[in-house]
Amino acid sequence: DIQMTQSPSSLSASIGDRVTITCRASQSINGYLNWFQHKPGKAPKLLIYAASSLQSGVPSRFSGSGSGTEFTLTISSLQPEDFANYYCQQSNSALGLTFGGGTKVEIK
Amino acid sequence: QVQLQESGPGLVRPSETLSLTCSVSGAPISSNFWSWIRQPPGEKLEWIGYARHNGNTNYNLSLKSRVTISTDTSKNQFSLKLNSVTAADTAVYYCARMVATIGLIFDYWGQGILVTVSP
Repeated sequence: DIQMTQSPSSLSASIGDRVTITCRASQSINGYLNWFQHKPGKAPKLLIYAASSLQSGVPSRFSGSGSGTEFTLTISSLQPEDFANYYCQQSNSALGLTFGGGTKVEIK
Repeated sequence: QVQLQESGPGLVRPSETLSLTCSVSGAPISSNFWSWIRQPPGEKLEWIGYARHNGNTNYNLSLKSRVTISTDTSKNQFSLKLNSVTAADTAVYYCARMVATIGLIFDYWGQGILVTVSP
């Protein structure tokens, strides 16, 4: 399986801050990288697919970039509703879809 | 608006079979892929497998010997069966729709159901 490593595992930030989360793959995943937001007790929400494509309805303050093995999710100006857990997921191999360990974004 | 809702027992005895159903509204089961994902307490999300309406399936190799995912187009539902469960199968189980556009994308999820394996 392709291993996905997310960093940091948690961060504290203030409203309006720029936040960046990194996801590294154990091998090249050809840009097949998705990002999700998850709030406790709610359904996870797709934010970004194929590394940099914004899912319909997702605010433009969310953006994704990267290629090869290193990818980032950026929130340009953190809003109150953005405090949540964030996960990356690779789909380069249909035989083994894997997720990162998650990043918890908390209020400073 | 596509919505998914998991249902099933919240407690399963060791060595028995875990059975969950996902009810789908807003999209036909006859299209796309239908998947199960789980998250044990304090651990990563783990993809379990997916099925299509035509019977095609694909499972995580680590669970393949114990898993069956199937669809029911008449009820617009799909289901998960995991046999011979142990405490390690205690997790929140999510169902999700998966589309194959640029890679495989879980675009809609259920809110999850906690299943505890305990005597």
